[in-house]
Amino acid sequence: ELKVEQNPLFLSMQEGKNYTIYCNYSTTSDRLYWYRQDPGKSLESLFVLLSNGAVKQEGRLMASLDTKARLSTLHITAAVHDLSATYFCAVDSGGAGTALIFGKGTTLSVSS
Amino acid sequence: DADVTQTPRNRITKTGKRIMLECSQTKGHDRMYWYRQDPGLGLQLIYYSFDVKDINKGEISDGYSVSRQAQAKFSLSLESAIPNQTALYFCATSDFLQIQPQHFGDGTRLSIL
Repeated sequence: ELKVEQNPLFLSMQEGKNYTIYCNYSTTSDRLYWYRQDPGKSLESLFVLLSNGAVKQEGRLMASLDTKARLSTLHITAAVHDLSATYFCAVDSGGAGTALIFGKGTTLSVSS
Repeated sequence: DADVTQTPRNRITKTGKRIMLECSQTKGHDRMYWYRQDPGLGLQLIYYSFDVKDINKGEISDGYSVSRQAQAKFSLSLESAIPNQTALYFCATSDFLQIQPQHFGDGTRLSIL
């Protein structure tokens, strides 16, 4: 059974600081997805990582995937208030195109 | 118009009532999913469907049923609602190989008294 663990679950940051969110998963998979959710809103896709060593960057966020370590990271550079949200990673449960299993999410709060 | 539309957006009902949540999509995707979100638990998969004739149970299917009426429509039913089914419910769609991320609806907030 695939398990997906994120840490930390809560993260309070100061503007301008850097930090990393970690996503570990328990079984082999080469597809990992990162989503953002604002309070009371739907999920917005951030990154799709489809192979070992994949790295994607958008603005102050950069995601990477190490399938051998079963680990993905979401790195935040010089945080700003607008990045305050909950971030989820999700992993294909059984190969390409199957259902996703989500982590519990990391709630990020950025303050000045 | 939204690509994935969920109705209703909010619903308050009583224990024991039958509830149906509906999802329709214009993305042309074959694959559709229902998730439940509770605070601190992330999203849990209830049911998913890879095409009209294919329905699969997810992590937490007990107490729920689904119907895939057409490629574009996927409904979730609570036959006899209970208070611990109070949650935010999301419908999502994806392409065949999930090269693109799943696309989520705006959610249905369901409260069972």
